[in-house]
Amino acid sequence: DADVTQTPRNRITKTGKRIMLECSQTKGHDRMYWYRQDPGLGLRLIYYSFDVKDINKGEISDGYSVSRQAQAKFSLSLESAIPNQTALYFCATSDSSGRLEQYFGPGTRLTVT
Amino acid sequence: SQQGEEDPQALSIQEGENATMNCSYKTSINNLQWYRQNSGRGLVHLILIRSNEREKHSGRLRVTLDTSKKSSSLLITASRAADTASYFCATDPLGAQKLVFGQGTRLTINP
Repeated sequence: DADVTQTPRNRITKTGKRIMLECSQTKGHDRMYWYRQDPGLGLRLIYYSFDVKDINKGEISDGYSVSRQAQAKFSLSLESAIPNQTALYFCATSDSSGRLEQYFGPGTRLTVT
Repeated sequence: SQQGEEDPQALSIQEGENATMNCSYKTSINNLQWYRQNSGRGLVHLILIRSNEREKHSGRLRVTLDTSKKSSSLLITASRAADTASYFCATDPLGAQKLVFGQGTRLTINP
């Protein structure tokens, strides 16, 4: 089984809808991250969490919110989806060793029409 | 803002040739990492080089780091078709506690 899983893998939604992307991990890592990837722009950090009670905004948090339900689960919500949130979304984890080597999920392809 | 800038944006070579990708960054770092992404899939960690290291090897991969020039290079020797992917550098800036990714180099290995 994959160490980092994301659901759904693909989602098409309409403008204005609320949508939640979920991430689960079995690596036992404390740190979890949400990124979005757009063509030609690499990965940009949306939110990150060092533990259940420590959540931080990344460089592009506007329009997104997160919830760290447990050490193993980190959800990303789009409260009111807009077309420019169409992107590939990745969840990642890392341990607390300080190396920040990250393990990525398979991604969620989100399309907002 | 992106910390790392990668060069070239795209690279196409013949199987068996060596591929070199470069990454430049702006601030002092704890370490620099390279990741591979096969089309539309999650990134996979390849290698990490600490700020006090100058060169590191892992199989067919060789990474160099020049902190005075704030640059790194990734060399893939004896390339294979399976090496076709996008390659990203990621820096761990001092005090940031998070990685900052470059825009990536798209590598195509032609059979």
